[in-house]
Amino acid sequence: EAQVTQNPRYLITVTGKKLTVTCSQNMNHEYMSWYRQDPGLGLRQIYYSMNVEVTDKGDVPEGYKVSRKEKRNFPLILESPSPNQTSLYFCASSEPGRQEQYFGPGTRLTVT
Amino acid sequence: DAKTTQPTSMDCAEGRAANLPCNHSTISGNEYVYWYRQIHSQGPQYIIHGLKNNETNEMASLIITEDRKSSTLILPHATLRDTAVYYCIVRVQGAYGNKLVFGAGTILRVKS
Repeated sequence: EAQVTQNPRYLITVTGKKLTVTCSQNMNHEYMSWYRQDPGLGLRQIYYSMNVEVTDKGDVPEGYKVSRKEKRNFPLILESPSPNQTSLYFCASSEPGRQEQYFGPGTRLTVT
Repeated sequence: DAKTTQPTSMDCAEGRAANLPCNHSTISGNEYVYWYRQIHSQGPQYIIHGLKNNETNEMASLIITEDRKSSTLILPHATLRDTAVYYCIVRVQGAYGNKLVFGAGTILRVKS
C-alpha cells in the first residue's frame, strides 16, 4: 500500500530535550516536505526536499532541522524544543512538479 | 498564487450531492485548481485537480467555469465520512518548492 508514515504519532516532551520525528514514504517520491498545523494559522511549510541531499527552508524553519540521506526518509529534528513548537506536524511527499501530495497521519507534539 | 474564497461552512444531507464552491477571480492562465480535504486532525487528502476542463475521478467531480474564475467540487453522494474541511488551492504546477498554501477551507457537515 502506498503510504507516508510518521513516528511517533504522539509525543509529550520537555523544553530543550532533543527529539526526532521520522517520516518515510514507499512511493519512490523525490519531493518531501514538513508542515505544521496550528489553530487559526492553517498549515505552514517548515522545510522541503527536492531530492536526496537537497533541502531548503519553507515558511517557518526556525528551530527545526532536516536531513535527506535516503530517498524514502525525511526526518524532522528539533534540537532544543520550546513550547511554541507544540503543534500537529505532517510530512508529505510527491513527484516533483506535481501537486498531488500524499500526507502522513500526523504527529501531535506537546512541549512543556 | 491566486487567492481563493470559500464559504466557511456548509451542511449536506447524507446521500445527496455536496456542491462546494470556490472563487478564484485572479487565477492566471497557467494555474491549476486543486482540492484537498482534511478529516479531523488527519493528514490532508488529495481529491482532484484541473486546469480548464471539467474533471471526474472516483472521489469527486470538478466543474470549472469557462472564464476559470470559479469552480465547484461535487461529491455526488455524500456520506457521513465525507464530513471534513475542504480546501480549494490554486497553484502553478511545478512551482518552486511545491508548497501548498492552505486557506481556511470550507467545513462540510454531512448529516443523517
